[in-house]
Amino acid sequence: NAGVTQTPKFQVLKTGQSMTLQCAQDMNHNSMYWYRQDPGMGLRLIYYSASEGTTDKGEVPNGYNVSRLNKREFSLRLESAAPSQTSVYFCASRIRFGELFFGEGSRLTVL
Amino acid sequence: GENVEQHPSTLSVQEGDSAVIKCTYSDSASNYFPWYKQELGKRPQLIIDIRSNVGEKKDQRIAVTLNKTAKHFSLHITETQPEDSAVYFCAASANTNAGKSTFGDGTTLTVKP
Repeated sequence: NAGVTQTPKFQVLKTGQSMTLQCAQDMNHNSMYWYRQDPGMGLRLIYYSASEGTTDKGEVPNGYNVSRLNKREFSLRLESAAPSQTSVYFCASRIRFGELFFGEGSRLTVL
Repeated sequence: GENVEQHPSTLSVQEGDSAVIKCTYSDSASNYFPWYKQELGKRPQLIIDIRSNVGEKKDQRIAVTLNKTAKHFSLHITETQPEDSAVYFCAASANTNAGKSTFGDGTTLTVKP
């Protein structure tokens, strides 16, 4: 049982480049989330998907887009990366309400 | 939206002492309050949680208390050990809002041997 799997684990981009972070869970969870973690600022919600077929903005959605491809997969896309998007990104999932299960994180650096 | 404040931002204790971390929340609709532990370079993992119909919950050396009236909840770690050193996050969410969790900014706990 892999839990929540994120790829890639590390990525370096130049300003203006685009990329997609992939996330998949094998726990049959309904809800999936993307958070970013910056030093001293905790975990901030970027986008979430309460159930398959729905997505909604979180606290810091600007510069990002998401796709809930199916129940298992939830991807995060940066269309034109900026240095302010340098961060560690965590995907998480849960059944509906309760414990969040996190992926290992993706460390993104934008030069 | 929900706002969660967490204090202190750093905490240093001697091994064997107790540690207390406090959080306040703003949305009275919040009814689920988890605590996550994040070791350096690792993912956050749940260590204990409490729901609004309960005032206190304990799991071995860890306990959480909730005061709904004052909108604050606290994490208590007794008999601290060096392996308790990590960043601890509190969070609050309401089951009426797609379960979105709002996190505090974290507390870096250092337990000195």
